[in-house]
Amino acid sequence: DAMVIQNPRYQVTQFGKPVTLSCSQTLNHNVMYWYQQKSSQAPKLLFHYYDKDFNNEADTPDNFQSRRPNTSFCFLDIRSPGLGDAAMYLCATSRERSSGYNTDTQYFGPGTRLTVL
Amino acid sequence: AQKVTQAQTEISVVEKEDVTLDCVYETRDTTYYLFWYKQPPSGELVFLIRRNSFDEQNEISGRYSWNFQKSTSSFNFTITASQVVDSAVYFCALSEVHQTGANNLFFGTGTRLTVIP
Repeated sequence: DAMVIQNPRYQVTQFGKPVTLSCSQTLNHNVMYWYQQKSSQAPKLLFHYYDKDFNNEADTPDNFQSRRPNTSFCFLDIRSPGLGDAAMYLCATSRERSSGYNTDTQYFGPGTRLTVL
Repeated sequence: AQKVTQAQTEISVVEKEDVTLDCVYETRDTTYYLFWYKQPPSGELVFLIRRNSFDEQNEISGRYSWNFQKSTSSFNFTITASQVVDSAVYFCALSEVHQTGANNLFFGTGTRLTVIP
């Protein structure tokens, strides 16, 4: 039944050790998003994929990268995690804008909580 | 620029009381969408409602109701007869349509609701 799946749910890594977070979806949505949510803060968009096109937010650090090998999967790579990267990482999906200003709902996965030691 | 303000950081109510969560937004767009999401302790963001800027009708879904007033740029959320399971952080969000056709969601800082048995 799960529509947006994130693995693992909890990830512990060491300072500077690369880590990859995974997201998959069964909704066949064109668009996939990655958000970072720090404790007691609102989610912040890092980037999104519109089909295979990658769109980075202007203030997303270079340390964060993403891959989308197919429609169903999207990965978040943190090349050299720092203590400040400890957060919940949320993946979301939506359909593309169908016409005019129609905008569709984003459906979120359960998140991966990243701890950096 | 898009902005969403949720002035109430935390609210506590006793079970069965009604509670209203406030949301005020700013946008220069004439067409936009507003959302409410629920984030329980498990971390997943659960979609509750979407409202477009042309539809000011209030909506009721079970114990939940939403009051959208364009004149005051507000989109308030009321829970009637609150239950312990309603305890969560609630986010109001505003979307703009990205040039790619994806949606950029701007979240408020959230309101933590605690329902006391």
